[in-house]
Amino acid sequence: EDKVVQSPLSLVVHEGDTVTLNCSYEVTNFRSLLWYKQEKKAPTFLFMLTSSGIEKKSGRLSSILDKKELFSILNITATQTGDSAIYLCAAGYGGSQGNLIFGKGTKLSVKP
Amino acid sequence: DTAVSQTPKYLVTQMGNDKSIKCEQNLGHDTMYWYKQDSKKFLKIMFSYNNKELIINETVPNRFSPKSPDKAHLNLHINSLELGDSAVYFCASSSGVGYGYTFGSGTRLTVV
Repeated sequence: EDKVVQSPLSLVVHEGDTVTLNCSYEVTNFRSLLWYKQEKKAPTFLFMLTSSGIEKKSGRLSSILDKKELFSILNITATQTGDSAIYLCAAGYGGSQGNLIFGKGTKLSVKP
Repeated sequence: DTAVSQTPKYLVTQMGNDKSIKCEQNLGHDTMYWYKQDSKKFLKIMFSYNNKELIINETVPNRFSPKSPDKAHLNLHINSLELGDSAVYFCASSSGVGYGYTFGSGTRLTVV
């Protein structure tokens, strides 16, 4: 059965801490791994990863994919209260571009 | 400014009716999508348009018809609604097929 599993489900840290969010996947015809940040409304896109071992960075956020071990991590350094959100991982799969399976998300709370 | 907006957010209608869901994006993206979220929270692609042209048309009933008057809009029209059409429908856009998606906040359709 195709699935995407994220861990931890929730995390509480203090400002300035570094966090690592995990995402493992088992999908048929895997195409890509996507990370999203969800606050109040629709998820906002962070990264899309298709190649193993190539780190993508955006400010304090970075992510990497391991296609051999079937997982990805999202790192956030020097966390800020504005980083508090649910972080969603999704696997793109299938013969057509665009099918997505989402994990349940990691709820990150950053305390001042 | 809302990047991808869908209307309505909630739609309750009787079997047999015809209804439309509208989607607009102000990101300048070339590609727009319609997804149906199933009971397991998977997002299954229904349609994809690139610059007003249909490029993905998954196996969905003919009662579903997308319409793209311009590349910023992709509306979904559903004829003769059935109970099984009840679901959350998401619109999304991207700068190209296979690139990261920006989602609308979803339309919860309930057919009674």
